[in-house]
Amino acid sequence: GAGVSQSPSNKVTEKGKDVELRCDPISGHTALYWYRQSLGQGLEFLIYFQGNSAPDKSGLPSDRFSAERTGGSVSTLTIQRTQQEDSAVYLCASSSTSVGELFFGEGSRLTVL
Amino acid sequence: AQSVAQPEDQVNVAEGNPLTVKCTYSVSGNPYLFWYVQYPNRGLQFLLKYITGDNLVKGSYGFEAEFNKSQTSFHLKKPSALVSDSALYFCAVRVSTDSWGKLQFGAGTQVVVTP
Repeated sequence: GAGVSQSPSNKVTEKGKDVELRCDPISGHTALYWYRQSLGQGLEFLIYFQGNSAPDKSGLPSDRFSAERTGGSVSTLTIQRTQQEDSAVYLCASSSTSVGELFFGEGSRLTVL
Repeated sequence: AQSVAQPEDQVNVAEGNPLTVKCTYSVSGNPYLFWYVQYPNRGLQFLLKYITGDNLVKGSYGFEAEFNKSQTSFHLKKPSALVSDSALYFCAVRVSTDSWGKLQFGAGTQVVVTP
């Protein structure tokens, strides 16, 4: 596609449920990044992929968070047993060069009740 | 460890006046520096970057930024602000020794341009 696509755009779930957030990067971009933005806050790095491997997953908050990328393309961020503090906008970005800018999607807004 | 600081939570400016958004960085290698803008309920849009070369970098929507190695700064500037420039601005840094790695973002600066 023309840009980074994320789905769903909005997700409301109950505490304790599992959620999956999807990111479809720009075609041909080898690097893919997940960030989290809480209301009115800055961006918190979660994980990044180079191809299908994740050289840096240091930002994942707990073992309830996991992510995978398949075929060097689509990535899924999974949050198990969601908690209210997981409520945030989850942003995905991709990049085609090692020094270039990241291209961001519109984000997935997660609300945990 | 790399880090970036945006010392101002908010910048207020009248339309037509110069706009400056401050950013300082701390890295152990050569920095790659970026500015992004975020409009309400939207993702981040890339404005400009410094990789190497001229210290003055020009970007989208009339914005520019000056890389100052001695002051470890990369301030964003626009000669004449527009009301439509009101948004949240983020500075980000990546080090050359980990060039594929994450961008470290500042906390963001809210810009408010009044008519």
